[in-house]
Amino acid sequence: GGIITQTPKFLIGQEGQKLTLKCQQNFNHDTMYWYRQDSGKGLRLIYYSITENDLQKGDLSEGYDASREKKSSFSLTVTSAQKNEMAVFLCASSNGQGTGQLYFGEGSKLTVL
Amino acid sequence: AQSVTQPDARVTVSEGASLQLRCKYSYSATPYLFWYVQYPRQGLQLLLKYYSGDPVVQGVNGFEAEFSKSNSSFHLRKASVHWSDSAVYFCAVSENNNAPRFGAGTKLTVKP
Repeated sequence: GGIITQTPKFLIGQEGQKLTLKCQQNFNHDTMYWYRQDSGKGLRLIYYSITENDLQKGDLSEGYDASREKKSSFSLTVTSAQKNEMAVFLCASSNGQGTGQLYFGEGSKLTVL
Repeated sequence: AQSVTQPDARVTVSEGASLQLRCKYSYSATPYLFWYVQYPRQGLQLLLKYYSGDPVVQGVNGFEAEFSKSNSSFHLRKASVHWSDSAVYFCAVSENNNAPRFGAGTKLTVKP
């Protein structure tokens, strides 16, 4: 089996700060995803990538950048953290584009003071 | 607009009772359909997946789901729930090789 590793698990930032989350997978999957989880709103797609150096915008991409420099890693940057923002960011990977099972990491919890 | 709707934010059932969690979607073609579960302090895990064939698909831990094209629904069922089934359940839909979109989730509480 494989694993998705997200770092850091907890991230505390200041308003306006640029913050980066990292995700590594050892499944050798082509496709990787970033979702944002807010209470009561489910998971919302921020970015996904179908191969190295590819980026596809999701439904919530404004305010975020992403980077896929290697097949095994996918990073997400909050370009300007919003005051009192609190959310969990979930990274996932899969074979195929949307047709295969997603394997998720345990999440990175962001708190903005 | 394409959407995935889970109309019940919270469901409470007694241990041993049957369960149905509802999911409706608005996509033009028959999409790939998934149910995931998120146990406390854990990542999401796949329960089951459907694309074609028998509209009733079996998953792990006694869960099953039924696809209805006429109703654009993919409801999750279990005949007899256990306290360990308490978790948040997410329906997800993918169409035309696009990334899956998720519903808002249903938090299930099983009372002893």
